[in-house]
Amino acid sequence: KAGVTQTPRYLIKTRGQQVTLSCSPISGHRSVSWYQQTPGQGLQFLFEYFSETQRNKGNFPGRFSGRQFSNSRSEMNVSTLELGDSALYLCASSWESPRDGNEQFFGPGTRLTVL
Amino acid sequence: GQQVMQIPQYQHVQEGEDFTTYCNSSTTLSNIQWYKQRPGGHPVFLIQLVKSGEVKKQKRLTFQFGEAKKNSSLHITATQTTDVGTYFCAGPNGWGAQKLVFGQGTRLTINP
Repeated sequence: KAGVTQTPRYLIKTRGQQVTLSCSPISGHRSVSWYQQTPGQGLQFLFEYFSETQRNKGNFPGRFSGRQFSNSRSEMNVSTLELGDSALYLCASSWESPRDGNEQFFGPGTRLTVL
Repeated sequence: GQQVMQIPQYQHVQEGEDFTTYCNSSTTLSNIQWYKQRPGGHPVFLIQLVKSGEVKKQKRLTFQFGEAKKNSSLHITATQTTDVGTYFCAGPNGWGAQKLVFGQGTRLTINP
């Protein structure tokens, strides 16, 4: 079956702009998690959505938001971009919540560069 | 908050040598997961451990979960160039907690 897909793969924005990233999970997976990966901070949990509801949220400012649609596809939005938001944004899907040890399948990520 | 620490941060070995990475949590974990990320790639789930003292093997990889469920290790026997990448451990931030916290990862490079 098809893996997790993320669009776009690469994005260049300037400070102050906003961006929307998209994630299509593996068919049948109800949990979608988002992570930010940077060389300095590693993999940081952003949020998890399950059946259109945000179940968990990481320690990120309110500029970072997300949503999940009825088909489990998810989007995350970052408003008022800052230079420090430059990172690889990874989406991962799983049948149930990853915190319970359920295998997560990661997408290829969206590389965001903020100038 | 709960922290998951991994050591070492980097490890360079000769092909054929063994490799071990260690993961330590400040709190007891209900489970621990291991992922591998190849250079330029995305994390790939390797395994999850749930039971105290659990040991699981995948070919040359051996995973252990500590008796107190606060630490874990991944050992690779006779490394091959295909083992190159960053290995992450991850666990829920506290018993019954909601978030999955990743360690900083151990980057393994291999001299062929």
